[in-house]
Amino acid sequence: NAGVTQTPKFQVLKTGQSMTLQCAQDMNHEYMSWYRQDPGMGLRLIHYSVGAGITDQGEVPNGYNVSRSTTEDFPLRLLSAAPSQTSVYFCASSYSKAGGYYGYTFGSGTRLTVV
Amino acid sequence: AQKITQTQPGMFVQEKEAVTLDCTYDTSDQSYGLFWYKQPSSGEMIFLIYQGSYDEQNATEGRYSLNFQKARKSANLVISASQLGDSAMYFCAMSLVAYYGGSQGNLIFGKGTKLSVKP
Repeated sequence: NAGVTQTPKFQVLKTGQSMTLQCAQDMNHEYMSWYRQDPGMGLRLIHYSVGAGITDQGEVPNGYNVSRSTTEDFPLRLLSAAPSQTSVYFCASSYSKAGGYYGYTFGSGTRLTVV
Repeated sequence: AQKITQTQPGMFVQEKEAVTLDCTYDTSDQSYGLFWYKQPSSGEMIFLIYQGSYDEQNATEGRYSLNFQKARKSANLVISASQLGDSAMYFCAMSLVAYYGGSQGNLIFGKGTKLSVKP
């Protein structure tokens, strides 16, 4: 099925470990982004990309790194996991039309626990 | 800076009744889009409805309608004939739209409203 695929769905890390959350879309969307969802906080933007080779920071970028080498993939790297990064992570993509972005599609999420 | 405010942390509604979820937004831009998403207990984000700032008519999608009052900067979601399956978190979100070549695709979310439908 077309859409946004996130892996893994669940992950437990020890403090200080690093890992990469994978995100892939097969809709040829230009725009991709990563959000984290914490209880009572809604979704907050971590990093985003408007095309291959172009990335920028969102509201809460510290401790995370991204790259966009292809249109399809937008991995999120945790450099040195901390308990404060325990959260649910969502990847999203969308297409542009007439200057606006539409058709936001979200992945199913990754539930990350850092102990 | 843009901001979305959802003032109702939780709401109850009787099955088959209508319910309104409040959303106010703050932006100095003239071009923007407003979205509502549903998040059931399974966790996925489900798109419900979209309203562009220049759309003159309120958006409707089946049982969902968006009560857009531009002067008051509000974009309330109305669910008609509530069903038990409507029990979920509901998020209001906004993105900016630039018609001069650039674009701002980032979605800004409110903190959400938890809706519980009673049988």
